[in-house]
Amino acid sequence: KAGVTQTPRYLIKTRGQQVTLSCSPISGHRSVSWYQQTPGQGLQFLFEYFSETQRNKGNFPGRFSGRQFSNSRSEMNVSTLELGDSALYLCASSAGLAGGLYEQYFGPGTRLTVT
Amino acid sequence: AQKVTQAQTEISVVEKEDVTLDCVYETRDTTYYLFWYKQPPSGELVFLIRRNSFDEQNEISGRYSWNFQKSTSSFNFTITASQVVDSAVYFCALSGGNNAGNMLTFGGGTRLMVKP
Repeated sequence: KAGVTQTPRYLIKTRGQQVTLSCSPISGHRSVSWYQQTPGQGLQFLFEYFSETQRNKGNFPGRFSGRQFSNSRSEMNVSTLELGDSALYLCASSAGLAGGLYEQYFGPGTRLTVT
Repeated sequence: AQKVTQAQTEISVVEKEDVTLDCVYETRDTTYYLFWYKQPPSGELVFLIRRNSFDEQNEISGRYSWNFQKSTSSFNFTITASQVVDSAVYFCALSGGNNAGNMLTFGGGTRLMVKP
């Protein structure tokens, strides 16, 4: 069974630009969560999607948005990039949505560098 | 609000030593789940264990063992006879009840270096 895939793996953008990251969950999984990892703030929850609906959102500005498609693939978008958005963005997929009852499997991440 | 604290930011041991990684959590939920993940240099978070708040039994998996104590809000992780391949950053995480979905609150991580 294929794991969680994320594309692209590495990305370099300029301040002010926008970026879209993609995540394909494990086959059959309907929940996708996104996390941002930085040296200063650690791992922080961005948002979670289940059946194409955003179920939870972390404490991030509106520049961060996402969506989920009918095949459970998810994208996240960051507009008007800032230097502080440089981070490893991790996607996790889960079979269900039940407060930790299901294991979450993480992808390899997309490393975004904003210059 | 939920919080996870991993007081040890970095630990260095020599191969074959035993090492314990500490994790202390705070939550108001009566039902919650605790996790440990391993993050090797490649960056991917690897799931190690999940424990729910009603199951305080300790668990052993090979060289890994976990000690969950609700009375002290701790969920510590011990690696017995450490190996160089255990070198990684280890994260403890907490998930709330059903209303929290799958959202994980992570601790700051503990970087473990195992020297040959």
